[in-house]
Amino acid sequence: QQQVKQSPQSLIVQKGGISIINCAYENTAFDYFPWYQQFPGKGPALLIAIRPDVSEKKEGRFTISFNKSAKQFSLHIMDSQPGDSATYFCAASMRGSNYKLTFGKGTLLTVNP
Amino acid sequence: DGGITQSPKYLFRKEGQNVTLSCEQNLNHDAMYWYRQDPGQGLRLIYYSQIVNDFQKGDIAEGYSVSREKKESFPLTVTSAQKNPTAFYLCASSIVSGGSYEQYFGPGTRLTVT
Repeated sequence: QQQVKQSPQSLIVQKGGISIINCAYENTAFDYFPWYQQFPGKGPALLIAIRPDVSEKKEGRFTISFNKSAKQFSLHIMDSQPGDSATYFCAASMRGSNYKLTFGKGTLLTVNP
Repeated sequence: DGGITQSPKYLFRKEGQNVTLSCEQNLNHDAMYWYRQDPGQGLRLIYYSQIVNDFQKGDIAEGYSVSREKKESFPLTVTSAQKNPTAFYLCASSIVSGGSYEQYFGPGTRLTVT
């Protein structure tokens, strides 16, 4: 059973546009929601993360929006650049899970120049 | 430089052979993890360890084995029992205190079995 559902699978955006990737979760015990960025042939790197006590977190051009009642969270990339082209993974974790992360299946973002 | 080292970057093996993937970290992290990544499948947890000489199965442990004899090392053996071993393997580590969940990933090893 997939506990974190991510959409879309792929996304094409023009340079300067807004990229939006969505994730939905089922387990209300999750209390940590990170986003990872992965370039081809490399390991994922933490981009930004949020806890459910806030509805939004912004770091530079990257923003996480969190909707606790809908059990959804999303990544917004403002002013998308070709260098943002990568695969993005959402994930979730909770206390008592031995700090394990449950990952979504990923979104391949392509930003056209 | 602090970080996680995985070696080799590319590994080729014949079917029926066991193969061991290396993972070393100098971040002084207590926990270490092994993930398998297949196209369109995301990252799936194979094994994890929170302390030396102790480890637990993840979601897809069948056909894999690990050891944790030192805090900085967590090698993964892909055995001949793993039916579809060709994949990209990622090692990660994290602190396990203070409610911190952040995992740091290594560069990965791409294993091809023919």
